[in-house]
Amino acid sequence: EPEVTQTPSHQVTQMGQEVILRCVPISNHLYFYWYRQILGQKVEFLVSFYNNEISEKSEIFDDQFSVERPDGSNFTLKIRSTKLEDSAMYFCATRSWSGNTIYFGEGSWLTVV
Amino acid sequence: EDQVTQSPEALRLQEGESSSLNCSYTVSGLRGLFWYRQDPGKGPEFLFTLYSAGEEKEKERLKATLTKKESFLHITAPKPEDSATYLCAGLSARQLTFGSGTQLTVLP
Repeated sequence: EPEVTQTPSHQVTQMGQEVILRCVPISNHLYFYWYRQILGQKVEFLVSFYNNEISEKSEIFDDQFSVERPDGSNFTLKIRSTKLEDSAMYFCATRSWSGNTIYFGEGSWLTVV
Repeated sequence: EDQVTQSPEALRLQEGESSSLNCSYTVSGLRGLFWYRQDPGKGPEFLFTLYSAGEEKEKERLKATLTKKESFLHITAPKPEDSATYLCAGLSARQLTFGSGTQLTVLP
């Protein structure tokens, strides 16, 4: 099965610090997403990215968040000034042009202390 | 606002005891209804995509079906290794919206 790769698998950071989560999407996939899952809660949409720009974002995705695809392969999520409530598992997902499969990575577990 | 509701929240089955999981959805301009399996601490693992009412898909002991308002995941003769959380999600033009999942436990 195609694989979406995420790094780091786990990061602990001090409140107020910046964090960058990285994703290597499946090659030839064109749509990219970030989702998060707070422990024990549902998977929540953060942002979608297509053609090098944000196509949709949720209310959660405020000014402290940003996404980019700096080198045409990696897809990153930056959290500028982390808060305790940002502690969650962050998932990257990618979708092909045909849209019939959306694959998720194994996640990056972020703990803000 | 798109909504996806799954029931039951948790389900315990004996090995070999077949059952069904329910997913009710209200998704604007549905482009696909997705089923995923999620193990603890892992990412959602893709199982199926369904597109139109009446469609069915099968994979090993799992069969997913779709109506205009609901989807069902039927599990036939489950084994302990089928224990996981099963997630349903609806894709609109904007995003994939998840339900809260059904936590399935299959006892040997």
